[in-house]
Amino acid sequence: GAGVSQSPSNKVTEKGKDVELRCDPISGHTALYWYRQSLGQGLEFLIYFQGNSAPDKSGLPSDRFSAERTGGSVSTLTIQRTQQEDSAVYLCASSLRGVSPPPYNEQFFGPGTRLTVL
Amino acid sequence: KQEVTQIPAALSVPEGENLVLNCSFTDSAIYNLQWFRQDPGKGLTSLLLIQSSQREQTSGRLNASLDKSSGRSTLYIAASQPGDSATYLCAVRLKSGGSNYKLTFGKGTLLTVNP
Repeated sequence: GAGVSQSPSNKVTEKGKDVELRCDPISGHTALYWYRQSLGQGLEFLIYFQGNSAPDKSGLPSDRFSAERTGGSVSTLTIQRTQQEDSAVYLCASSLRGVSPPPYNEQFFGPGTRLTVL
Repeated sequence: KQEVTQIPAALSVPEGENLVLNCSFTDSAIYNLQWFRQDPGKGLTSLLLIQSSQREQTSGRLNASLDKSSGRSTLYIAASQPGDSATYLCAVRLKSGGSNYKLTFGKGTLLTVNP
């Protein structure tokens, strides 16, 4: 079956431009997560969606970052006025449910989008 | 705040060697601990997931142990092969009420197995 997919796989942009990163979760998964992996850093949690709602946005680093999810499926992470420190790999994951005991909230990860801000 | 530390940061071994990767965490109130493998451009692949009530899990040449009270886990790889070269990540899931969906990751161990 299809796993989590992300697009684009690579994105190079100029400082100050806006970018959109897309995530297609596994069909039927109600929970979706975004993480960021900067060079030399571990994966940082950004945001959690349950359905189309985001009950936890605590990891978004600034108000330049926003995310939405529509139809309980596809999610888009938008970074406005990109800065060089935004350069990282952005990973998306999905799970059957969110706040549930295992195994329902086991997360499956996509291949990531490598963002480079020049 | 949960912190996860992985040692060593990088490891280079000759093919055929047995090796151990270490992971430690500061908050023992966890649901489970998971080991992932990360290959460039391919995201994360789950290797082993150990529930908090378990001591170890095995899959093929991989064995992961968990000592929740001391906040430690090890990933043992037997008879290493060049195809095992990748970054290995450890992640824990906290039991903290309504945020048990969140995974906290270590920075990983970059493993290179030389033919």
